[in-house]
Amino acid sequence: KAGVTQTPRYLIKTRGQQVTLSCSPISGHRSVSWYQQTPGQGLQFLFEYFSETQRNKGNFPGRFSGRQFSNSRSEMNVSTLELGDSALYLCASSPRDRDGEQYFGPGTRLTVT
Amino acid sequence: EDQVTQSPEALRLQEGESSSLNCSYTVSGLRGLFWYRQDPGKGPEFLFTLYSAGEEKEKERLKATLTKKESFLHITAPKPEDSATYLCAPLNSGNTPLVFGKGTRLSVIA
Repeated sequence: KAGVTQTPRYLIKTRGQQVTLSCSPISGHRSVSWYQQTPGQGLQFLFEYFSETQRNKGNFPGRFSGRQFSNSRSEMNVSTLELGDSALYLCASSPRDRDGEQYFGPGTRLTVT
Repeated sequence: EDQVTQSPEALRLQEGESSSLNCSYTVSGLRGLFWYRQDPGKGPEFLFTLYSAGEEKEKERLKATLTKKESFLHITAPKPEDSATYLCAPLNSGNTPLVFGKGTRLSVIA
């Protein structure tokens, strides 16, 4: 089975721009979560989706948004980028709702200049 | 709010020198715990799920154990390829998302 894929893998943007990141979960997985990872803060939860519904949202400003499509693919968007948004953005899918282990993609490395 | 603490933050071992990593937590209604391994620049790789106190799981040189308040990841006779950051995340009984520890960065020197 193919793993979780994320595109693009690397991205450089300028402050004030917006960005859209994409995630394709493992086939059959309907639960998708997004995380931001920085050296100082570790893995920080952004969103969780299940069957196109947002189940949870982390403590991030409204500039961070996401959605999930009927085929379970997910996107997240960050508007009005700030330097502090530079991070590794990770997507994870799970075979079960709520208590399943999560399988992570390789991440998208976003650099904001 | 769930809290997770991993110790030590960094650990340097000689090849073959066994040790343990600790994951302690305060969680409302612990239902289980996940361990992950993360190599630099990559996404975390799932290792184990533990569901009940006293449970143990093994994979090659790694053995994970669980109590009500903490979990240990024991590394027996490590090799340089075991060098990575190890993350834990307890699973609570509510509908809140996983909270990951900040990890233990393990370096195994040949």
